[in-house]
Amino acid sequence: AAGVIQSPRHLIKEKRETATLKCYPIPRHDTVYWYQQGPGQDPQFLISFYEKMQSDKGSIPDRFSAQQFSDYHSELNMSSLELGDSALYFCASSSGGANSPLHFGNGTRLTVT
Amino acid sequence: AQSVAQPEDQVNVAEGNPLTVKCTYSVSGNPYLFWYVQYPNRGLQFLLKYITGDNLVKGSYGFEAEFNKSQTSFHLKKPSALVSDSALYFCAVRRTDSWGKLQFGAGTQVVVTP
Repeated sequence: AAGVIQSPRHLIKEKRETATLKCYPIPRHDTVYWYQQGPGQDPQFLISFYEKMQSDKGSIPDRFSAQQFSDYHSELNMSSLELGDSALYFCASSSGGANSPLHFGNGTRLTVT
Repeated sequence: AQSVAQPEDQVNVAEGNPLTVKCTYSVSGNPYLFWYVQYPNRGLQFLLKYITGDNLVKGSYGFEAEFNKSQTSFHLKKPSALVSDSALYFCAVRRTDSWGKLQFGAGTQVVVTP
């Protein structure tokens, strides 16, 4: 079965650089979520999109932005990177409403040096 | 507001013994409850969910969970643990009237020894 695809798998950036993470949800899933997971932490919700419109917003820094495109893929753009942004970034998708589970990709490991 | 508590950072169990991972939740209104498992450097994998109805929910890989409304708990269980069950387990909650974020607990590391 098709899963959520994230790219790149690993990304190394320097402080103050920008990064773009991509997510391709499971086909026919209408909602995309972005989560950030620091070392030894639980996933922290950043932002979600339903049918290409922002549906909910969590603890996403102003330096970050995201969007969902017409083909339903989503991108998380991160600017002015800081050392503290080093984390695993997960994308998840779901369909069918609040009782539907999220299906997660394998994540992008961002390292800021 | 919604929150999830997993009181144990780590659970150690011998292979073949029963495994329990505890979870309590707080949410205004009725909850949807989920369990996920995470292996190192991998995404979270869905195990099971409680929506409504039978309080005992069966999921993947022999796991089950019991919903207890009065105790606001949703403990994950497996009758006979395997070494391959060693992983990080997350409980999560979402309000039934919300399409928004899934709130995760802090996670419980399960270590199954041969």
